[in-house]
Amino acid sequence: AQTVTQSQPEMSVQEAETVTLSCTYDTSESDYYLFWYKQPPSRQMILVIRQEAYKQQNATENRFSVNFQKAAKSFSLKISDSQLGDAAMYFCAYITQGGSEKLVFGKGTKLTVNP
Amino acid sequence: DTAVSQTPKYLVTQMGNDKSIKCEQNLGHDTMYWYKQDSKKFLKIMFSYNNKELIINETVPNRFSPKSPDKAHLNLHINSLELGDSAVYFCASSQDFEGNFGTYNSPLHFGNGTRLTVT
Repeated sequence: AQTVTQSQPEMSVQEAETVTLSCTYDTSESDYYLFWYKQPPSRQMILVIRQEAYKQQNATENRFSVNFQKAAKSFSLKISDSQLGDAAMYFCAYITQGGSEKLVFGKGTKLTVNP
Repeated sequence: DTAVSQTPKYLVTQMGNDKSIKCEQNLGHDTMYWYKQDSKKFLKIMFSYNNKELIINETVPNRFSPKSPDKAHLNLHINSLELGDSAVYFCASSQDFEGNFGTYNSPLHFGNGTRLTVT
């Protein structure tokens, strides 16, 4: 079964500090894509960062970066210089390539940013 | 301009009623989806349509029926509403379902969600 596991239901970080959100997934596929989505209180789902499984280089988007460990099936999100606006639910997600693509989400991690 | 829009934003109704949630995207995308987010914030796909054709139909009660009049619209009809249907429902779209620009290359664009409360 294709699953995505986020083991941290809640995390907190001080403003300007760095926090890492963990995500592991289970798949037998070799080609797939991984995403982190952010859901603020407005409930809109916002794409934060994505990673292609065939790329070894970790994706980076401004203050957001990932640590992608394909062998370990791990895809953690690092947020540097945390800002109050980063407070939200963060969802890790995974999608396979080919056939009937399906986006599988983790259960989410609630991030609190303390001033 | 809103890319993916859902209406209504809030929907409160009684058990047994029939209701619809509308979704429209102006991105020119070929694929649209419905997701359900339960009280524990877990997002789960319900349906996926590509060019008006059903692609994914997860195990949801047949009281839920998607309708796609054209590729820019994917409405969700729910018959005989039950208490357990209370959740936030998200519509989403993506560029393509097949080919070089499949959904894995073009991430989902979500609507703002519809909070359904069944009393």
